[in-house]
Amino acid sequence: EVQLVESGGGLVKPGESLRLSCAASGFSFRYFTMNWVRQAPGKGLEWVSSISSSSDSIYYVDSLKGRFTISRDNTKNSLYLQMNSLRAEDTAVYYCARERPDIETFDIWGQGTMVTVSS
Amino acid sequence: DIVMTQTPLSSPVTLGQPASISCRSSQSLVHSDGNTYLSWLQQRPGQPPRLLIYRVSNRFSGVPDRFSGSGAGTDFTLKISRVEAEDVGVYYCMQATHFPPYTFGQGTKLEIK
Repeated sequence: EVQLVESGGGLVKPGESLRLSCAASGFSFRYFTMNWVRQAPGKGLEWVSSISSSSDSIYYVDSLKGRFTISRDNTKNSLYLQMNSLRAEDTAVYYCARERPDIETFDIWGQGTMVTVSS
Repeated sequence: DIVMTQTPLSSPVTLGQPASISCRSSQSLVHSDGNTYLSWLQQRPGQPPRLLIYRVSNRFSGVPDRFSGSGAGTDFTLKISRVEAEDVGVYYCMQATHFPPYTFGQGTKLEIK
């Protein structure tokens, strides 16, 4: 079964750091571009970051540049998001999503992991 | 960045009746390769998003044929021919033509009257 499972979310204080992980299974992870998308409580979807299959192309939403770092380990079928200097407005469910190159959209989504930034 | 505007933001529908959601982009979504990368996602309560439609009008694997997508340029529509109880949720359009960034509409909440 094709599956993405996020982990690493939790409650942190403003200014602290957190590292999210996404474990992929059931498909050849190393061939796919992967993304992080977040959703604040009661709000819509916001794309956060993208990393190509070989990590040679990385993109971020402008508002996050410098604080978040996306990475992957194809030997471990895993995607990561290092989040530094967290703010209250980063509070959201963070989803990892697979990008299908032939249809240019996200065809597989994980269940998400909740990040709460509060003092 | 491309702004995606959905209407309505809320749509009460009677079971068995049709529903329609519109999505307008701030620029044409026709890519230089000739394709239009507009997709529709469904998010049921408490669930992650699920891909319904890609490249304007193509149903993704396993999506019932009561869902259809249409449109071109800057104006797009998702239609449900006969709403069922399991269709309750929020629907998002998403563009990938002008990446980065990917951008989503605000979401349209479909509920049963």
